[in-house]
Amino acid sequence: GIQVEQSPPDLILQEGANSTLRCNFSDSVNNLQWFHQNPWGQLINLFYIPSGTKQNGRLSATTVATERYSLLYISSSQTTDSGVYFCAVERGGGYQKVTFGIGTKLQVIP
Amino acid sequence: EAQVTQNPRYLITVTGKKLTVTCSQNMNHEYMSWYRQDPGLGLRQIYYSMNVEVTDKGDVPEGYKVSRKEKRNFPLILESPSPNQTSLYFCASSLGRVYNSPLHFGNGTRLTVT
Repeated sequence: GIQVEQSPPDLILQEGANSTLRCNFSDSVNNLQWFHQNPWGQLINLFYIPSGTKQNGRLSATTVATERYSLLYISSSQTTDSGVYFCAVERGGGYQKVTFGIGTKLQVIP
Repeated sequence: EAQVTQNPRYLITVTGKKLTVTCSQNMNHEYMSWYRQDPGLGLRQIYYSMNVEVTDKGDVPEGYKVSRKEKRNFPLILESPSPNQTSLYFCASSLGRVYNSPLHFGNGTRLTVT
């Protein structure tokens, strides 16, 4: 099956710092999504981004499908950004099997 | 409010006692799916459903059953739970690929099987 690798596994940032999270996948995919799991366990969709670049406030994401990776940028980090960031890819002809990476755990300290 | 609702939030049960975790969405989504989250393993897909009466296995379907008799509901059934099914479970829904729609998750169900 498809492999999804995220890096780094853990990240500690000072508030206000910038960071880049990476997601590599081993095969072509139909789409890619980024999620944030907050400390209370809720999973929030950040980006639906099969290709190209999107921005939402301090967050932006870029997927280069031909090279099989995606990047999530967090600028001017805040303590509320803490949690685990997951990328998930969908393979197959429809909205079918979804594979998650094991996540990047981010801690933003004041 | 548009949402995916799972019940219960917490469940402690004993080995072999059948249980059902319910999932309901009010967004008229075609696609629904179940995942389990375990430390160090991320989320793994258990089952998914493309529409009413259409279900298929994900990566870890053993020990689980699902049904999709109505568009809004997608219950997860553990006929004979075992301790290795202790996990955090999430239900998710989406309009479907044709709409380029993201997944919306419920708040999770923490299951402990003793």
